[in-house]
Amino acid sequence: AQSVSQHNHHVILSEAASLELGCNYSYGGTVNLFWYVQYPGQHLQLLLKYFSGDPLVKGIKGFEAEFIKSKFSFNLRKPSVQWSDTAEYFCAVSPLSGNTGKLIFGQGTTLQVKP
Amino acid sequence: EAQVTQNPRYLITVTGKKLTVTCSQNMNHEYMSWYRQDPGLGLRQIYYSMNVEVTDKGDVPEGYKVSRKEKRNFPLILESPSPNQTSLYFCASSLRPGPYEQYFGPGTRLTVT
Repeated sequence: AQSVSQHNHHVILSEAASLELGCNYSYGGTVNLFWYVQYPGQHLQLLLKYFSGDPLVKGIKGFEAEFIKSKFSFNLRKPSVQWSDTAEYFCAVSPLSGNTGKLIFGQGTTLQVKP
Repeated sequence: EAQVTQNPRYLITVTGKKLTVTCSQNMNHEYMSWYRQDPGLGLRQIYYSMNVEVTDKGDVPEGYKVSRKEKRNFPLILESPSPNQTSLYFCASSLRPGPYEQYFGPGTRLTVT
């Protein structure tokens, strides 16, 4: 079955600390990969995406993610977090066949950044 | 402004009372879908639509209906809501299915008592 697993459910960091959120997926085929962010009280916004090419992708607000095909992973990183990064982060994949518009989400990681 | 709108944003209702949550996008997107978000489960797709008059079940369709009579609108219908449908609902749209960004609405928080 297709699934996405996020390793950390709740992360607490101080400002300027580095961030890495783990994401692994299980799918018997090629996928597109996404990270979405949901700020408190707001809708989901796309942080970054990987479709093909350079496995290191850069997104908005200084975030980046690396696709490691052999590990089925797509970890999110940021060198120095800010208080405004406090939000819930979702890793998602979409298949390249069948219902290709469907996003399969992980459980989400709540990030709390202390000022 | 390109956006996906949903109404209502908050709804408290009772078991069995039919309700409709509207979704509209102004980007001429072909693909639209509904998700529900529950704690610890992330978002799960309820129904999706590839285009006008083309709809299909997602992963958790039980208890829901949808229609796509116009390209811009994709309402979610709960014919007989039950407490286990208490959740946060998101409508999403993208230009087409595939490697395209999905745009999400602001969400509808539904409570069924």
